Amino acid sequence: EPEVTQTPSHQVTQMGQEVILRCVPISNHLYFYWYRQILGQKVEFLVSFYNNEISEKSEIFDDQFSVERPDGSNFTLKIRSTKLEDSAMYFCASSELASGGTDTQYFGPGTRLTVL
Amino acid sequence: AQSVTQLDSHVSVSEGTPVLLRCNYSSSYSPSLFWYVQHPNKGLQLLLKYTSAATLVKGINGFEAEFKKSETSFHLTKPSAHMSDAAEYFCVVSKAAGNKLTFGGGTRVLVKP
Repeated sequence: EPEVTQTPSHQVTQMGQEVILRCVPISNHLYFYWYRQILGQKVEFLVSFYNNEISEKSEIFDDQFSVERPDGSNFTLKIRSTKLEDSAMYFCASSELASGGTDTQYFGPGTRLTVL
Repeated sequence: AQSVTQLDSHVSVSEGTPVLLRCNYSSSYSPSLFWYVQHPNKGLQLLLKYTSAATLVKGINGFEAEFKKSETSFHLTKPSAHMSDAAEYFCVVSKAAGNKLTFGGGTRVLVKP
């Protein structure tokens, strides 16, 4: 069964450093998403991406964040200058553009980001 | 705007007994509703979804949920808990295809032998 994959599974970085989190969505999917879950808190939406542009973003997704689909398979989240509060589990998801207005988002296993 | 409230942060059941996880939602339109499960150190797996067809939705692993518009609820049930059901469960709402998911706070299920 096709699945979303994410690398690395765990990333440790120093405050102020740039990190890139990588995701390979399911191959025929057209919508891509990033979510994060700070320890002990709810899963929060960050951004959605369709047709090579951001379709929606939350207030969390400020200028420090960017997303890219550099080739036909990868979808990346870049954090330019990490802060302590960026420490979280980051989930990538993808969905097919389904008719009828419904979609199912399939999630990857997550990347745990630790900012020291 | 949309929001989800999971009424129990923790539920403890004995193996073989029923499981009930409660979820209420708020939405200004007809939403799509989902239940996802997260096992320790694993990603989020879809259990089931409601998309304005039948109000009783059957999912994987014997779980089902009933959409009650009048009560704005989407409770998840399973007749007989198994040890492998120990996990965290998330009730989730979405507006439409391609839209963001809004998560509830999660319910952690403990299954006692």
